[in-house]
Amino acid sequence: DARVTQTPRDKVTEMGQEVTMRCQPILGHNTVFWYRQTMMQGLELLAYFRNRAPLDDSGMPKDRFSAEMPDATLATLKIQPSEPRDSAVYFCASGEDSHTEAFFGQGTRLTVV
Amino acid sequence: ILNVEQSPQSLHVQEGDSTNFTCSFPSSNFYALHWYRWETAKSPEALFVMTLNGDEKKKGRISATLNTKEGYSYLYIKGSQPEDSATYLCASLGSWGKLQFGAGTQVVVTP
Repeated sequence: DARVTQTPRDKVTEMGQEVTMRCQPILGHNTVFWYRQTMMQGLELLAYFRNRAPLDDSGMPKDRFSAEMPDATLATLKIQPSEPRDSAVYFCASGEDSHTEAFFGQGTRLTVV
Repeated sequence: ILNVEQSPQSLHVQEGDSTNFTCSFPSSNFYALHWYRWETAKSPEALFVMTLNGDEKKKGRISATLNTKEGYSYLYIKGSQPEDSATYLCASLGSWGKLQFGAGTQVVVTP
């Protein structure tokens, strides 16, 4: 049963700490998206990749967020330093190509205290 | 329209009634329009992907239409059931592969 896997499912950290969220896209999918769930904007696009190359990360606060794909089976979203306003659920999604449906992971619930 | 907009934000439907709601999206650099169903405590799941003007898709009691010239799509639920309660998201896919979501329409179906 192919699915997008995100780890950890839940993360509580103190303000100022580094947080790394991981995503394993579905094997063979070449497009990966990172979204943040917010009350006001629903799913806010942070960054996306095609064939591991970052195409757009304009949705991310550049000074503290970074997204990478070290290989085709792993995408990472890092926050350093974390702040309480970063508390949210972060979703990763992958697609067979950029023009088909996206499959979502279960999300990482981040709480920064 | 610069962003993807959905209306209404929420709606309550009596079981058995039909309903519909709207997604507006930028018509420039358009490639596809996605609809997703998002149940509480779960992840969004795709309902439809539409690309052509005039496209109509149907899955059971749920259907969708697409007008790319004026930049809108409608989602219809016929004979609503309590299990249809969810947030319905639309997303616009631009020609560069950027998939941007609207804020969603929360549907509550009461018995």
